[in-house]
Amino acid sequence: AQRVTQPEKLLSVFKGAPVELKCNYSYSGSPELFWYVQYSRQRLQLLLRHISRESIKGFTADLNKGETSFHLKKPFAQEEDSAMYYCALKGGGSNYKLTFGKGTLLTVNP
Amino acid sequence: GAGVSQSPSNKVTEKGKDVELRCDPISGHTALYWYRQSLGQGLEFLIYFQGNSAPDKSGLPSDRFSAERTGGSVSTLTIQRTQQEDSAVYLCASSFGPRVVEQYFGPGTRLTVT
Repeated sequence: AQRVTQPEKLLSVFKGAPVELKCNYSYSGSPELFWYVQYSRQRLQLLLRHISRESIKGFTADLNKGETSFHLKKPFAQEEDSAMYYCALKGGGSNYKLTFGKGTLLTVNP
Repeated sequence: GAGVSQSPSNKVTEKGKDVELRCDPISGHTALYWYRQSLGQGLEFLIYFQGNSAPDKSGLPSDRFSAERTGGSVSTLTIQRTQQEDSAVYLCASSFGPRVVEQYFGPGTRLTVT
């Protein structure tokens, strides 16, 4: 069975501080991992995916298969990063389902 | 172009009543998903439609929940005999197909059962 764990419901940092949102997963095959973000009063949207190895809005995430983790990191948090962040897993092959974690609410204080 | 739209944006209903929630996916998207977002529970997969294939209903929590997709476009999620535990935000998403990684989400319908 697929499972995604985000251990922190709430995370509060100060502007300019580094931030790391944790995500661990459980899946027997080769998963595809994503981070989705939901800003206040906006719809849920894709932030980044591990296969792209991209940096979006200064955020990066590296898939660590040994630790089954996909932590989201940003070296210098900004106030506009305050949002709910969801880690999601999609099984390989024809598995179309996204399994989401319960989310982490990030607050960046001025 | 227009994104995924959902209606109504808010719905308050009395326990025991039936409700219908509507989703209009992005034009050309063949895959459509329904999720339920409950406080502290993240997003829970409910049902998936892909083209003319039989839908995957494995996430529906009970037989009070059903969904249909007419003409491969608009979808309706129906909850019969609503219960208070059905209160949540119901999200619809669509994508070009099952192998396309990005799902585009609608704004959701907030359902409150009193």
